[in-house]
Amino acid sequence: KAGVTQTPRYLIKTRGQQVTLSCSPISGHRSVSWYQQTPGQGLQFLFEYFSETQRNKGNFPGRFSGRQFSNSRSEMNVSTLELGDSALYLCASSSGREGNSPLHFGNGTRLTVT
Amino acid sequence: GDSVTQMEGPVTLSEEAFLTINCTYTATGYPSLFWYVQYPGEGLQLLLKATKADDKGSNKGFEATYRKETTSFHLEKGSVQVSDSAVYFCALSVNDYKLSFGAGTTVTVRA
Repeated sequence: KAGVTQTPRYLIKTRGQQVTLSCSPISGHRSVSWYQQTPGQGLQFLFEYFSETQRNKGNFPGRFSGRQFSNSRSEMNVSTLELGDSALYLCASSSGREGNSPLHFGNGTRLTVT
Repeated sequence: GDSVTQMEGPVTLSEEAFLTINCTYTATGYPSLFWYVQYPGEGLQLLLKATKADDKGSNKGFEATYRKETTSFHLEKGSVQVSDSAVYFCALSVNDYKLSFGAGTTVTVRA
């Protein structure tokens, strides 16, 4: 069974640009979550989607947005990039049937903003 | 709010040594507790979990017991190997479709 796939693995963008990251969940999983990982703030929750609906959202500015498609694939977008957005962005999928379902993580997209 | 506090690292051990990583939590509800592990260059992998008080999660020689009275979920392994070198994260969920993570503990095992 294929795991969670995130593309691309690495991205370099310039301050002020926007970026879109992609995530394909494990087959059959309908929940996709996004997390930001930085050395200073650790792992922080961005948002979670289930059947194309956002069920929970973390404390990030509106520049961070996401969506989920009917095939459960998800994208997150960051507009007007800032240097502080440099991070590893992790996507995770689960069955989503319960609020505490274990998550299966992808290997992440490393975003560098210069 | 919900939060997790775990032992600061880094932790350096010799092979076959005993490993303990302390984890305590505060939660608004009745949380489920998890340990995740992250190897270099990879995402997180679920190591073990416990969903109610006194449950013991175990996997790959690692164990952790959900202690409600002390709000703790300490990770232990009796004999570590070089391959256990990784970053370990304690996390909780209060059934709100998200995880709250601790800061992570870097463990290095020397041969």
